Amino acid sequence: NAGVTQTPKFQVLKTGQSMTLQCAQDMNHNSMYWYRQDPGMGLRLIYYSASEGTTDKGEVPNGYNVSRLNKREFSLRLESAAPSQTSVYFCASSDQHYRVGDGYTFGSGTRLTVV
Amino acid sequence: RKEVEQDPGPFNVPEGATVAFNCTYSNSASQSFFWYRQDCRKEPKLLMSVYSSGNEDGRFTAQLNRASQYISLLIRDSKLSDSATYLCVVGAGKSTFGDGTTLTVKP
Repeated sequence: NAGVTQTPKFQVLKTGQSMTLQCAQDMNHNSMYWYRQDPGMGLRLIYYSASEGTTDKGEVPNGYNVSRLNKREFSLRLESAAPSQTSVYFCASSDQHYRVGDGYTFGSGTRLTVV
Repeated sequence: RKEVEQDPGPFNVPEGATVAFNCTYSNSASQSFFWYRQDCRKEPKLLMSVYSSGNEDGRFTAQLNRASQYISLLIRDSKLSDSATYLCVVGAGKSTFGDGTTLTVKP
């Protein structure tokens, strides 16, 4: 039972390069999320998808785009990476967006460095 | 003022000690509260939800005080394996995470 799978686990980008972070869940969850975590800080929501076919901005969406490809997959794209986007990125899923009784299930994270 | 505030610690306690963390939140309309555990360089994992009546899971007890807008986590008989960062989470869906409280349990 894989849960939430993120790829890649590590990535180094040069300023201005683009890349897509992939996320897939096999729990038949409706909602998926992208968070970033900077050192010594809590998680901040970048984008979320409450259900297949919908996406919405979170707290820190600038510089990112997302695609909910299907119920299982939710990708995060950096079009022109900047050093300020150096962070650990976590994808998460939950059964229902407004009823997170069972909490989020997180992927293992992508450690991104932009030089 | 942050929406969710936690004492960052670190809390350094000996094995067997009882330790408590508090977390305050600013949105009085919040209905959902959680504690997550995050080990170093790992993903957060749900420790427990926090219910109005309080709830207990083994050595862990969570309490909610709506009047004062804080939640607490009590860990009894601390184990070395309890060493981690504990994240307070408020709200469902677009949840807000606290910055975490670091606990180190020493022999």
